[in-house]
Amino acid sequence: KAGVTQTPRYLIKTRGQQVTLSCSPISGHRSVSWYQQTPGQGLQFLFEYFSETQRNKGNFPGRFSGRQFSNSRSEMNVSTLELGDSALYLCASRTGGANNEQFFGPGTRLTVL
Amino acid sequence: GNSVTQMEGPVTLSEEAFLTINCTYTATGYPSLFWYVQYPGEGLQLLLKATKADDKGSNKGFEATYRKETTSFHLEKGSVQVSDSAVYFCALSDKTGANNLFFGTGTRLTVIP
Repeated sequence: KAGVTQTPRYLIKTRGQQVTLSCSPISGHRSVSWYQQTPGQGLQFLFEYFSETQRNKGNFPGRFSGRQFSNSRSEMNVSTLELGDSALYLCASRTGGANNEQFFGPGTRLTVL
Repeated sequence: GNSVTQMEGPVTLSEEAFLTINCTYTATGYPSLFWYVQYPGEGLQLLLKATKADDKGSNKGFEATYRKETTSFHLEKGSVQVSDSAVYFCALSDKTGANNLFFGTGTRLTVIP
């Protein structure tokens, strides 16, 4: 079974631009979560989508948004990029029930210049 | 609220040495506890988990026991190998429905031959 895939793996943008990251979950998984990893803040939860609906949201500004499609693939968007948005963005999928193991993708490394 | 406090690194050990990485948590209720490992350039992999008090998670020679009385979930391995060099994250997931993961800051382990 293929794992979680994320595209692109690396991205360089400039301040003020916007960016869209993509995540394809493991087949059969309906829940997709996004996390931001930075050296200063560590791993922080962004949001979770389940069956095309945002089910849970972390403490991030509205510039961070996401969506999920009917095939469970998910995208996250960051608008008006800031230098502090430079991070590794990780996507995780799971079947969707309580306490399921989350399977992580390799991440997208975003650099904002 | 939910939080995880993890032993600061980095940790450097010789091959075959004993490893302990301390992890304590604060949570509402009785969370599930996890150890994840991140190898260079990769996403997170679940190493082991425990879902209730006194459960012991184990995998690849690593062990951790869910201690409710001390709110701890320390990671141990009796004999580390060079291939264990990675960053280790302790995490919790509450069972109130949100299910997102709260991570510790991570501990970088380097094992030298």
